[in-house]
Amino acid sequence: GAGVSQSPRYKVAKRGQDVALRCDPISGHVSLFWYQQALGQGPEFLTYFQNEAQLDKSGLPSDRFFAERPEGSVSTLKIQRTQQEDSAVYLCASSLYTSSGNTIYFGEGSWLTVV
Amino acid sequence: GENVEQHPSTLSVQEGDSAVIKCTYSDSASNYFPWYKQELGKGPQLIIDIRSNVGEKKDQRIAVTLNKTAKHFSLHITETQPEDSAVYFCAASILWGSGNTGKLIFGQGTTLQVKP
Repeated sequence: GAGVSQSPRYKVAKRGQDVALRCDPISGHVSLFWYQQALGQGPEFLTYFQNEAQLDKSGLPSDRFFAERPEGSVSTLKIQRTQQEDSAVYLCASSLYTSSGNTIYFGEGSWLTVV
Repeated sequence: GENVEQHPSTLSVQEGDSAVIKCTYSDSASNYFPWYKQELGKGPQLIIDIRSNVGEKKDQRIAVTLNKTAKHFSLHITETQPEDSAVYFCAASILWGSGNTGKLIFGQGTTLQVKP
């Protein structure tokens, strides 16, 4: 498709389970971002990839959160031993690698509920 | 780091009226300011953006103004329509390059309701 694609759209996990969220960025987009959006809040930055290199992971809330983009396209956000406070929408976004523009396109998000 | 404050948190207007949402930012190095519209159950969608070398930008019923000195920028929607009802987010970033990733720092959001 033409946009950023995320799966699953909805995930219910029991506390303590591991989850994996997938992101397919727009074809050709070098930059990829993960954001976390709690209910009623603005998205908060988690991590950034330039191709396969994770250049900024300053927003990851704990070492239970791990992201990878091994071939520079598809990315996976993994959350280990999920806790209730991890319940949120996880948004993936991508942008073209260019110094002349920085339009960032978002996917529909993966809604995670930890029970 | 950058901090973005957005006001108001909710805004209700009559169809046809104008709506204004305001944001302030803290990092004077920020040079890119997009606005996103988010409908229920969907991801944020870019509606307009402005760079720090421009004071105002307009696209049909939507306009954005930027005051770099005051570190303040605003979204203006004229002739509002019911389909404008959504949550609007402002954001600030430093454009990619020179070690910057271009990551966005978002405001808290404004829920706009346009009454028919």
